[in-house]
Amino acid sequence: GAVVSQHPSWVICKSGTSVKIECRSLDFQATTMFWYRQFPKQSLMLMATSNEGSKATYEQGVEKDKFLINHASLTLSTLTVTSAHPEDSSFYICSARDPNPPPDRVWDEQFFGPGTRLTVL
Amino acid sequence: AQKVTQAQTEISVVEKEDVTLDCVYETRDTTYYLFWYKQPPSGELVFLIRRNSFDEQNEISGRYSWNFQKSTSSFNFTITASQVVDSAVYFCALSEGAGTYKYIFGTGTRLKVLA
Repeated sequence: GAVVSQHPSWVICKSGTSVKIECRSLDFQATTMFWYRQFPKQSLMLMATSNEGSKATYEQGVEKDKFLINHASLTLSTLTVTSAHPEDSSFYICSARDPNPPPDRVWDEQFFGPGTRLTVL
Repeated sequence: AQKVTQAQTEISVVEKEDVTLDCVYETRDTTYYLFWYKQPPSGELVFLIRRNSFDEQNEISGRYSWNFQKSTSSFNFTITASQVVDSAVYFCALSEGAGTYKYIFGTGTRLKVLA
């Protein structure tokens, strides 16, 4: 249980184009999803918190218009990198929180997707 | 402010050696969770353990063991008889708790196990 998928696994795009990354919770409903960015040999940096049915909350320094987040359903959040540039190339990871965890889990636990590797040429 | 420090950037050991990865955290919350994750070269985070702030019992799972000490705000991870497959980046994380549910990640420790 508690599986999160991401699509695509990797994507290569040209500079100036937009790229959409999907994050799905497969066996639970996630009211809250998180988007992280990870540069090579660095830690995960939280970009934004996505709440179903409301606007995402972005971390300081993250451009809202650059990284559009939509959480239209309880099982799907999308991250769109608009007008991508080579400096946007990174590993993007999403996670989801189960608001109704079974007894062997806790409210604070996040379940991570496998990540999406974005390369912008 | 909440913070997680993994002072060891990279560790190299020879197969079958024991290795301990350090994690020191800072928080003003009395209720919090600590986690360890493994990130192999594929990139996918692999959950290893969760520990809540009220449970200071050490835990052992096969070759893995964890030492949680609130007095020193540390949550160290030991791999016994390391294997090449243990080579990965290991992250320690702290949950900010109810309300935000955000994770604070440490900078990670890259473990290289040499055959």
